[in-house]
Amino acid sequence: EVQLVESGGGLVKPGGSLRLSCAASGFIFNKECMSWVRQAPGKGLEWVGRIKSKNEGETTDYGAPVTGRFTISRDDSKSTLYLQMNSLKTEDTAMYYCTTATYGYWGQGILVTVSS
Amino acid sequence: DIVMTQSPDSLAVSLGERATINCKSSQSVLYSSNNKNYLAWYQQKPGQPPKMLIYWASTRESGVPDRFSGSGSGTDFTLTISSVQAEDVAVYYCQQYFISPRDTFGQGTKLEIK
Repeated sequence: EVQLVESGGGLVKPGGSLRLSCAASGFIFNKECMSWVRQAPGKGLEWVGRIKSKNEGETTDYGAPVTGRFTISRDDSKSTLYLQMNSLKTEDTAMYYCTTATYGYWGQGILVTVSS
Repeated sequence: DIVMTQSPDSLAVSLGERATINCKSSQSVLYSSNNKNYLAWYQQKPGQPPKMLIYWASTRESGVPDRFSGSGSGTDFTLTISSVQAEDVAVYYCQQYFISPRDTFGQGTKLEIK
């Protein structure tokens, strides 16, 4: 059974940093491209970014609102995906979902709240 | 980025009736070389992550009931639920993946029971 479990969320002040993790199991993690998608409270879905597999160079891409502030990385030895979030803004408040890049599998999400 | 616009924003349908949700993209998501529309539909129930229902505009994901169907091509698409059940109450999103990885979603359509 495929499982994606996010962790590391919480309350952070504007300008602060947070690192999210996503522990994957039930599939061959190192072969998969992985993405992060977020959803502000009561709002729609927004693609955050993606990382390709090691075989594809671990290339990363990001949405315009987070470019330069967020960094996606992966540790295939731990089957874990990461989202490093710096210079956080109140508008980054959202549920953050880890997903396979083809969106077939999603984690339950982790809440990040940016507030003073 | 491609902008996806859904209509209506919400709809209320009686049990057993048909529900139709529309999605329009700001540019075509039809790739001429393979004749595939890079368009997916998702269902999101309260407190849950989205679940993919349909991809390539009309291909149902495994396990999705056949009352769900997708149609359309180019810039105009439709998700149809032929006979709405109580468990279909959710928000539905369309998504383009034509300019992957810069995938974009519609704003969502909330389906309620009348």
